[in-house]
Amino acid sequence: GAGVSQSPSNKVTEKGKDVELRCDPISGHTALYWYRQSLGQGLEFLIYFQGNSAPDKSGLPSDRFSAERTGGSVSTLTIQRTQQEDSAVYLCASSYRGNNEQFFGPGTRLTVL
Amino acid sequence: AQTVTQSQPEMSVQEAETVTLSCTYDTSESNYYLFWYKQPPSRQMILVIRQEAYKQQNATENRFSVNFQKAAKSFSLKISDSQLGDTAMYFCAFMKLTLYGQNFVFGPGTRLSVLP
Repeated sequence: GAGVSQSPSNKVTEKGKDVELRCDPISGHTALYWYRQSLGQGLEFLIYFQGNSAPDKSGLPSDRFSAERTGGSVSTLTIQRTQQEDSAVYLCASSYRGNNEQFFGPGTRLTVL
Repeated sequence: AQTVTQSQPEMSVQEAETVTLSCTYDTSESNYYLFWYKQPPSRQMILVIRQEAYKQQNATENRFSVNFQKAAKSFSLKISDSQLGDTAMYFCAFMKLTLYGQNFVFGPGTRLSVLP
């Protein structure tokens, strides 16, 4: 079946602009995660959804970052007034409770000029 | 809070040789899961192997095996007969179940280069 998809695969934006990153999880997966990965670094947890609710938002680095999930499916990560330090690869993963494994998307590479 | 440490930022191994990547973690939980993920240059994260903490037997997946030492909180990955396609970043991850679902913590990664 189809895996986790993310769009766009690459995004270049100017400092101060808003961006939206999209994640389509695997159908039926109830949990969805967003991570940020700076060049050559590990994964930084951003936010976790169980269904449409986000019980853990502890990783969002500032109030410029927000995320939502609708219909228990697609999620959007929004970064407002982007800064150069926001440049990174943003990874999305989904899992099915009871499976205990995360399936990752290919990521969106965000470059803020 | 849980932490995951990978003390080897970079490693290299000759093709066909064996290499071991180390991972240690800190937790007060007794029931949890451990994973090794691989991220090749294509950026796609792929699950390599997983281990349930309640299982004493070490997990094995073809050329990949783990040495799980629960008391020492150690979870190393052994890659046998290394292949050029094994070149990637390898991340160790800890997961526990919570009221809300699954809580994952990733280590900083080890960059493995397999040399011809």
